[in-house]
Amino acid sequence: GNSVTQMEGPVTLSEEAFLTINCTYTATGYPSLFWYVQYPGEGLQLLLKATKADDKGSNKGFEATYRKETTSFHLEKGSVQVSDSAVYFCALRGNQFYFGTGTSLTVIP
Amino acid sequence: ETGVTQTPRHLVMGMTNKKSLKCEQHLGHNAMYWYKQSAKKPLELMFVYSLEERVENNSVPSRFSPECPNSSHLFLHLHTLQPEDSALYLCASSQDQIELNYGYTFGSGTRLTVV
Repeated sequence: GNSVTQMEGPVTLSEEAFLTINCTYTATGYPSLFWYVQYPGEGLQLLLKATKADDKGSNKGFEATYRKETTSFHLEKGSVQVSDSAVYFCALRGNQFYFGTGTSLTVIP
Repeated sequence: ETGVTQTPRHLVMGMTNKKSLKCEQHLGHNAMYWYKQSAKKPLELMFVYSLEERVENNSVPSRFSPECPNSSHLFLHLHTLQPEDSALYLCASSQDQIELNYGYTFGSGTRLTVV
């Protein structure tokens, strides 16, 4: 079956620190992979995606590479800002979306 | 402006009340979804509509009743809810149900509290 596992939070970082949020998946076939972000009081917004192995999705300084050999799609950002504080969801698209439980990120000045 | 609008943003209702959540999209999408988001749990897919036809119902209790009168509007009718139904209810839409490379567009959600 399809499932997504992402690292538990909460994660607290200082501004300009390096961010990694781990995500691994289990899937039948070759799903597309996504990262969504949820800011306080809002719904989920698409952050980036990758549709096939070795693709790199990127947006707003965030990156994630679709690694078929390790079934991973880790989210990274080189220098986080206070405005990046949010909950991040890893997801895969099979016959429907399968979301992880979310990782809360707080960036302090 | 996300393209998907949900109303109300917040709702408090008693267990004997009847209320409805509304979702509206003008993105030209053909598929719409209801999700339930509870603390520390994955998003739970509740209902899927494609071209106004319900195509999926993930064992949701009958106290939740969806309605899709046209491709732009989706409702979730609520009656005799339980306190454990308190959650953020998210509506989403997509171009169609089967296109795997595209994401969903989510609304901001309705925060429901059942007292």
